Amino acid sequence: NAGVTQTPKFRVLKTGQSMTLLCAQDMNHEYMYWYRQDPGMGLRLIHYSVGEGTTAKGEVPDGYNVSRLKKQNFLLGLESAAPSQTSVYFCASTYSGELFFGEGSRLTVL
Amino acid sequence: EDQVTQSPEALRLQEGESSSLNCSYTVSGLRGLFWYRQDPGKGPEFLFTLYSAGEEKEKERLKATLTKKESFLHITAPKPEDSATYLCAVPSGGYQKVTFGTGTKLQVIP
Repeated sequence: NAGVTQTPKFRVLKTGQSMTLLCAQDMNHEYMYWYRQDPGMGLRLIHYSVGEGTTAKGEVPDGYNVSRLKKQNFLLGLESAAPSQTSVYFCASTYSGELFFGEGSRLTVL
Repeated sequence: EDQVTQSPEALRLQEGESSSLNCSYTVSGLRGLFWYRQDPGKGPEFLFTLYSAGEEKEKERLKATLTKKESFLHITAPKPEDSATYLCAVPSGGYQKVTFGTGTKLQVIP
C-alpha cells in the first residue's frame, strides 16, 4: 500500500501564479486534511473534508481552495500565490482514528 | 476553542538520560489524544493514541500517559536515534478537526 501520496514534492512559484497540490490515499478513508507547517507555528489546518463532495474551512483557509471530487483524492489550490504561502504542506487522512500523513510538499513563492 | 500546548519547545539530553515531554490540552469532550514523531523532511509518524485518564501505552523506550488535563511522553534511556520532533494532537467535532501542538524538538547526544 502506498498510503498517502502527495505531488509534487517541491515547487517554486512566482507571486501571482497558480498551482494545485494533489493528495491521494488508497486506504478508503473518509476524512482528509490539508495542513501547513511553518517554523515555530506547528501544523495548522487549512481545509478538511469529511467525505466525497464535501469540504470545510480550517484554521487558516484564506488564499486556498480545495476540492474532493473523488473519495481518494483531495486537491489544494492556490489561485494567486503570495510569499506568505511559502511553507511545507502536509496532507493527511483517517477513518476515525490516527491520521496518516504524506511526505509533504515544499512550496516556495518568490 | 480547542488548544494544545507542548513543553518544552526543545530538549537536549545525553544518551541514557531519561526525561518527559508535556502536552496540556483544552478540548470539549476528549475523543482521544495522539502522539506523533516527526523526522526532518518527513511527515509525522503515528506513535500512540490515548483515550481516557489513567491510560498508558509503551513502545520501546517511549511511554505515554494521560490525565484529565495533560499527557506526558516519558523517554527512558534515550538513544541518538530518538532525536526527532514529538507532536501531540487532539481531535474535535468527531474527527472533523485535529488540532496539533507546536511540538518538542528532542536532541539526544551520544
